[in-house]
Amino acid sequence: GAGVSQSPSNKVTEKGKDVELRCDPISGHTALYWYRQSLGQGLEFLIYFQGNSAPDKSGLPSDRFSAERTGGSVSTLTIQRTQQEDSAVYLCASSLRAGGPKLNTQYFGPGTRLTVL
Amino acid sequence: GQQVMQIPQYQHVQEGEDFTTYCNSSTTLSNIQWYKQRPGGHPVFLIQLVKSGEVKKQKRLTFQFGEAKKNSSLHITATQTTDVGTYFCAIFNAGGTSYGKLTFGQGTILTVHP
Repeated sequence: GAGVSQSPSNKVTEKGKDVELRCDPISGHTALYWYRQSLGQGLEFLIYFQGNSAPDKSGLPSDRFSAERTGGSVSTLTIQRTQQEDSAVYLCASSLRAGGPKLNTQYFGPGTRLTVL
Repeated sequence: GQQVMQIPQYQHVQEGEDFTTYCNSSTTLSNIQWYKQRPGGHPVFLIQLVKSGEVKKQKRLTFQFGEAKKNSSLHITATQTTDVGTYFCAIFNAGGTSYGKLTFGQGTILTVHP
């Protein structure tokens, strides 16, 4: 079946503008995660959603970052007033659910490469 | 939350040489997962280990989980150029407000010289 999809694949924006990044998880997956990966770096956790529970926002770097998940499926990560240090690849992942290690294999999307000029 | 230290950060090998990356934690882990990310690609799940002392093999890859469940290793025998990429370990947070979250190690970047 279809994997995790993300759009756009690339986004170039000017400093100070807002951007929205979209993630479509695998159908039936209730857990959805956002990560940020700077060039040559590891995965920085941003936020995760599990079903209808309140999201874990502990990784969001500032209040300029927010995310929502509508209808338990599609998620949008919004970055307001972008800064140059926001430039990175933003990866979305989904898993069947976050209720146990065997069910938490994460399937990643191709990412959105964000460049802030 | 739980943290995991992954070493080395970089590894350069000649094709045919072996490669090992290690993940270490100061606390007992409920499980550990390994992912591979090819250059320009996204992380792809390789395997999950849950039992103390567990050893699993996938062709030339051997994964181990320590007896104390505080460390894990990924060993590649006779590397090939197709093994190039970054290898991440990840641990499952089994308690607290971060239950269900995977915490990734910093990754080991493997370069294979033909």
